[in-house]
Amino acid sequence: EIVLTQSPGTLSLSPGERATLSCRASQSVDSAYLGWYQQKAGQAPRLLIYAASRRASGIPDRFSGSGSGTDFTLTISRLEPEDFAVYYCQHVGITTPLFPFGPGTKVDI
Amino acid sequence: EVRLLESGGGLVQPGGSLRLSCVASGFTFSMNAMAWVRQAPGKGLEWVSAIDDRGSNTYFPDSVRGRFTISRDNSKNTLHLHINSLTAEDTALYYCAREGLGAVDNQFDFWGQGTLVTVSS
Repeated sequence: EIVLTQSPGTLSLSPGERATLSCRASQSVDSAYLGWYQQKAGQAPRLLIYAASRRASGIPDRFSGSGSGTDFTLTISRLEPEDFAVYYCQHVGITTPLFPFGPGTKVDI
Repeated sequence: EVRLLESGGGLVQPGGSLRLSCVASGFTFSMNAMAWVRQAPGKGLEWVSAIDDRGSNTYFPDSVRGRFTISRDNSKNTLHLHINSLTAEDTALYYCAREGLGAVDNQFDFWGQGTLVTVSS
């Protein structure tokens, strides 16, 4: 079973700064099945990135994803006030359908 | 517009059972696999079940297997989650989520607003 870890736990930044969030898998995964979600306080999660690097519909281009194998990164190029939220990575298992999430990274001011 | 509307949450005594429902609209429900994800107060997201588009195959993490049952009625565009032997650790907001198709391929591309389950005596 694949376990995802995320770092840092909390990232304290200011609007306009660059945010770099890490997601590491316990074993190599197919990047086609690695996604990132954003959850703002009091709201449901929203899909940001799928297949490691593809932006979901309506997601601004300041969000980008990269990585392969066991190491993946979500980058927010210039933080907007509405980007302060918790970000989760998730792997989709195909041979054995499991959908674990990482523990999340909180981006706050 | 895709919409997922959960219901069925509430206050339940330890050891009890509960059935959650999710009514879908705005897309062809029978074409998508679906899932439930929960979030305990102040905690992260935990996937707890998934079902394929026809309802033929169901999936659970080890943490809930044997107590959770997922089902769907494609004629009514409705997804269900039945939970047995509830404990305080099941207290959470339960989200219904749609698994995407095509390039999005099984990532959860739409979510409901959740229904709150509280287990307490």
